[in-house]
Amino acid sequence: NAGVTQTPKFRILKIGQSMTLQCAQDMNHNYMYWYRQDPGMGLKLIYYSVGAGITDKGEVPNGYNVSRSTTEDFPLRLELAAPSQTSVYFCASSYSVSNTGELFFGEGSRLTVL
Amino acid sequence: AQSVTQPDIHITVSEGASLELRCNYSYGATPYLFWYVQSPGQGLQLLLKYFSGDTLVQGIKGFEAEFKRSQSSFNLRKPSVHWSDAAEYFCAYTGNQFYFGTGTSLTVIP
Repeated sequence: NAGVTQTPKFRILKIGQSMTLQCAQDMNHNYMYWYRQDPGMGLKLIYYSVGAGITDKGEVPNGYNVSRSTTEDFPLRLELAAPSQTSVYFCASSYSVSNTGELFFGEGSRLTVL
Repeated sequence: AQSVTQPDIHITVSEGASLELRCNYSYGATPYLFWYVQSPGQGLQLLLKYFSGDTLVQGIKGFEAEFKRSQSSFNLRKPSVHWSDAAEYFCAYTGNQFYFGTGTSLTVIP
C-alpha cells in the first residue's frame, strides 16, 4: 500500500521554466490537497480538490494550476517559475474533511528556482 | 478570522524530561483538532486527533493532548521525551479546510 506518492523529490528550475509536480494516491480518497512549506511559515494551502473534476483555490494559488481528471491523481503545474516558488511542496489526501479528517501526506518535493 | 497559533517556535528539552507544546485556536464552533509530527525530510504524520467526547486524547508514540474549550487550547504533552522525538510538530484544525500552525521545532539533549 503506497499511500500518497509524489514525484520528483527534488528539482531545480530556471526562472520562467514550467514543470508539473505529480501526486498519486491509492486509498480512494475524495479529497486531495497541495501545500507549500516555507521555513517558519507552516503549511499553506495552494489548491484542493473534493473529487474528480472539482478543484478550488486555497490560500496561495497564484502562479499555480491544478487538474483532477481521476480520483487517484492530482498534479500541480507551475507555468512560469519564479524564485518565490522555491519551497517544499506536499501533496495530501483524506477521505473527507468532516469524517475521519486525517490527512495522509506524501514525502514532499523540494523545488528550487534560480 | 479562523487561525491556529503555536507560540513556541523552538523548544529544547533533555531526554527523559517532560514536554508540553502549546496550541491555541480561534474558531467560532468547536473544531476538529490535530497534532502532526514531521521528521527531517519527511511528510507529516498524524499523532492524535480530537473530534468530541473525552477532552484528553491519547496518540501514538506516548503523546497525549488535552482540549480546553475555556482556553481555546489543545496542548500536546509527553511525560518522558526520547531522543527520537526530535522533530517539527504542527497543530492543525479543520473548519471547512485544514489550517496548520507555524510549527514548533523540538530539540532533545542527551
